[in-house]
Parts: sequence; C-alpha cells; structure tokens
Amino acid sequence: DAGVTQSPTHLIKTRGQHVTLRCSPISGHKSVSWYQQVLGQGPQFIFQYYEKEERGRGNFPDRFSARQFPNYSSELNVNALLLGDSALYLCASSLGPGETYEQYFGPGTRLTVT
Amino acid sequence: AQSVTQLGSHVSVSEGALVLLRCNYSSSVPPYLFWYVQYPNQGLQLLLKYTSAATLVKGINGFEAEFKKSETSFHLTKPSAHMSDAAEYFCAVTSSGNTGKLIFGQGTTLQVKP
Repeated sequence: DAGVTQSPTHLIKTRGQHVTLRCSPISGHKSVSWYQQVLGQGPQFIFQYYEKEERGRGNFPDRFSARQFPNYSSELNVNALLLGDSALYLCASSLGPGETYEQYFGPGTRLTVT
Repeated sequence: AQSVTQLGSHVSVSEGALVLLRCNYSSSVPPYLFWYVQYPNQGLQLLLKYTSAATLVKGINGFEAEFKKSETSFHLTKPSAHMSDAAEYFCAVTSSGNTGKLIFGQGTTLQVKP
C-alpha cells in the first residue's frame, strides 16, 4: 500500500508570494495533520483535520490555512510568505484524530523562501 | 502545557556500543510518549510508543524505551549500535483530549563510528 504522499517535493518562492502544499493520506485514513520543521528543530504542529473539519490548530499566524477534501486529501496554504517560513512541511495521516491513533508521516515538502 | 526536552543535540557512539538517547517530558496529565527516527531527506518513522500499558516499551530495529514517571523520563536505548542507526531521533508527547497533536523535542543526531 502507498504511504502518505506529498507534493511538490521541493519548491522555491519569493517573499510575499503564496504557496499551496498537497498531501494524500494512506488509504482508509480520515485524519490529516500538518507540521512545520525548521532546520535543526523538531516539527511544530500547525493543523489537524478530521472528516473535513479542523480539529486542532497550532500557534501559527492567520497566513497559514488548510482544508481537507471529501477524499481526505489536504492542502496547506501559506500567504504573504516570509523568509522564516522556509522549512520542511510534513503531513501525517491517521485513522482518527485521537492520541491512540498512530500518525504516519510523509516525506515532506521542502519550501525555500528567498 | 506539555513539553519535551532532549538532552544532547548530538550523540556519538562506536558501532556495537550501547545507544542512550535522553528524553524528559512535562505534562500535567498522563502522557502518551513516542520516539521517531528521521533519516536524511525523509519523513518521520515511528520507533515505539508508550500509551500507559507496560512501562518498558519495545520498538522496531532493536530499540526500546522505559517510562519512568518519577523521573518524567522516556529514554531510548539500543544494546548494540549499527551503522544504519545513524539518523535524527525525536521524542514526542501528547495526551488524552489533545486530538493527537504531537509536541516534539528538538531532536538528537546519532552518529555511529566504525
């Protein structure tokens, strides 16, 4: 079975631009979470979606938004990019939203903002 | 609020030596604890998890961790290091009612010398 897939693998954007990152969960998984991993640090929680509803939000500005589609795939949008948004963005999927459900991570999207 | 501290950002061992990666957590409620491994340019892979059952948890690739409530620790060990163990290791915590949001430590880079 395919694991969590993310696209694109890498991208380079300029300050002030907008970016959309995509995630496809493991088949049968209904929950998707997004994390930001800045170089040299641990991942930071951004959002969790379950059944197309937001179930959790981390301490990120309103420039960050996300949504989940009927097929459970998800998009993460970041507006007005800043240099500090350069990071590896990880998507994780799980069967459900609770702590007992194991989260499976994708390979990530490496975003560079210049 | 929950938090995780990983003691030592870089650990170096010889092949065949004991691996010990330290993790201390802070949580006002019973925690769920995890160890993840990240190889270069890849996502996170779950090594093991503690969910209030046995305090000694065995994971993949010969790793294990012991939950010690009195010390608020969840250290990761492996009796004999292999070259393939060289990677970044992250300890994470969540709890009941937290929707599965993972809070990660800063990570520990494990170097294995031949």
